[in-house]
Amino acid sequence: DGGITQSPKYLFRKEGQNVTLSCEQNLNHDAMYWYRQDPGQGLRLIYYSQIVNDFQKGDIAEGYSVSREKKESFPLTVTSAQKNPTAFYLCASNPRAGLTNYGYTFGSGTRLTVV
Amino acid sequence: EDQVTQSPEALRLQEGESSSLNCSYTVSGLRGLFWYRQDPGKGPEFLFTLYSAGEEKEKERLKATLTKKESFLHITAPKPEDSATYLCAVQGGGSQGNLIFGKGTKLSVKP
Repeated sequence: DGGITQSPKYLFRKEGQNVTLSCEQNLNHDAMYWYRQDPGQGLRLIYYSQIVNDFQKGDIAEGYSVSREKKESFPLTVTSAQKNPTAFYLCASNPRAGLTNYGYTFGSGTRLTVV
Repeated sequence: EDQVTQSPEALRLQEGESSSLNCSYTVSGLRGLFWYRQDPGKGPEFLFTLYSAGEEKEKERLKATLTKKESFLHITAPKPEDSATYLCAVQGGGSQGNLIFGKGTKLSVKP
């Protein structure tokens, strides 16, 4: 079955620690996205990548970093510079950048908690 | 600036009580408006895409409509399994074509 796999489902981070969230897709999609979701808030765009080896900052990129070395993979690192990282993180993909007929395909999310 | 506002924030219905959710948008050059369903602890699931004013789409008890300024998601005779958060998103000519999401409407349907 084609889809997006996010791991882990739950992640706990200590103060000052960097953590990496995994996102893998087997849909052969060019574009991939990372969103953050907080209670009562809409999805906010962190980073996006329209093609391999290229990515751009979204609306709330501070304290986060990404890489896109392979088409299938778009990992997100939450660095110690992100002061309020507790949230639900969603990865998404799109066949190509720009116009989409069926919206984005989303993964099942990673819930990150600072302990 | 592209913007999406959903109302109400939360809606409680009795089973069988029909109602509508609203999505108002401001966007430069609408390319598409999308409705998603999101269950707790899961990723959003695609429901509909609407492209132009007057367009309607239906799926089971759900019907989405679009005007030049807003979209409605009509729920007819809802069942408890329709309980979820419903998200609206728009794709415009700006923002690199990225989707702009509203905050969602949390729907609860009681038996």
